[in-house]
Amino acid sequence: EIVMTQSPATLSVSPGERATLSCRASQSISSNLAWYQQKPGQAPRLLIFGASTRATGIPARFSGSGSGTEFTLTITSLQSEDFAVYYCQQYNNWPPLTFGGGTKVEIK
Amino acid sequence: EVQLLESGGGLVQPGESLRLSCAASGFTFSDYVMSWVRQAPGKGLEWVSGISDSGDNTYYADSVEGRFTISRDNSKNTLYLQLNSLRAEDTALYYCAKVGSDYFLVYWGQGTLVTVSS
Repeated sequence: EIVMTQSPATLSVSPGERATLSCRASQSISSNLAWYQQKPGQAPRLLIFGASTRATGIPARFSGSGSGTEFTLTITSLQSEDFAVYYCQQYNNWPPLTFGGGTKVEIK
Repeated sequence: EVQLLESGGGLVQPGESLRLSCAASGFTFSDYVMSWVRQAPGKGLEWVSGISDSGDNTYYADSVEGRFTISRDNSKNTLYLQLNSLRAEDTALYYCAKVGSDYFLVYWGQGTLVTVSS
C-alpha cells in the first residue's frame, strides 16, 4: 500500500498571501495524484488531477506540481473561501486508493 | 448537473447490517466506475470500495474486505454498499463518488452517516 504524507498538518496564512502544501508518496506514483478541498460540513471537491491539471471550474490561483514522490499544491493570493482542509490522493497503485492525512489552511 | 444522493445510514449495534444507496443523475451512470469513501468523525478520508462500470469488477479496502459488498443497478442508476458485521470503527460519513478517467474522484455526494454503537 502506498502511504501518502502531507505537511504541514496546519498552515496559518493571511488573506492575499500564498499557501504551499506538500504531499509525499512512499514510492513513485508518476503523476497519478489528485488534490481535494473540503470545507466544514461539505463533501470534498476535486481541485487537481494528474498532479497539475485543474478540474472544471477551479480558479487559476490553484496550481499543482510534482511527479514521482514529491508534490505541491500552491494557492496564490488566498481568498476567504479557500480556508479549508486539503487532501492529496494517489491513484497509481490501487487498490487501495490512498489519501494523505490532510492539511488545514487556517486564517492567520 | 451531476447529482449523487446517498441514503440508508443510521444508528446500528455492533454486528448488525445496513445497506447504503446512492442515486445518481445528470450523467450516463452505466459508463462510469463508482466508488465509496468514508470519513470518521473529525478524521481524514478513507477509500472503502470501487466497482467497474458494468459491475463485473469490485475492489475493497482490507479493513472492509469480506464484510462489505459493493454493487450497482445500472437500470436504476443506483450504487449500493451492503455493510455487514458492523464494528464501532465503521462509524463514519459514507460518500459515494463518480470516478474520472483515471481513478480520481470527480464528483462526491453529500454523504450518509453510519453510527455503530451499543
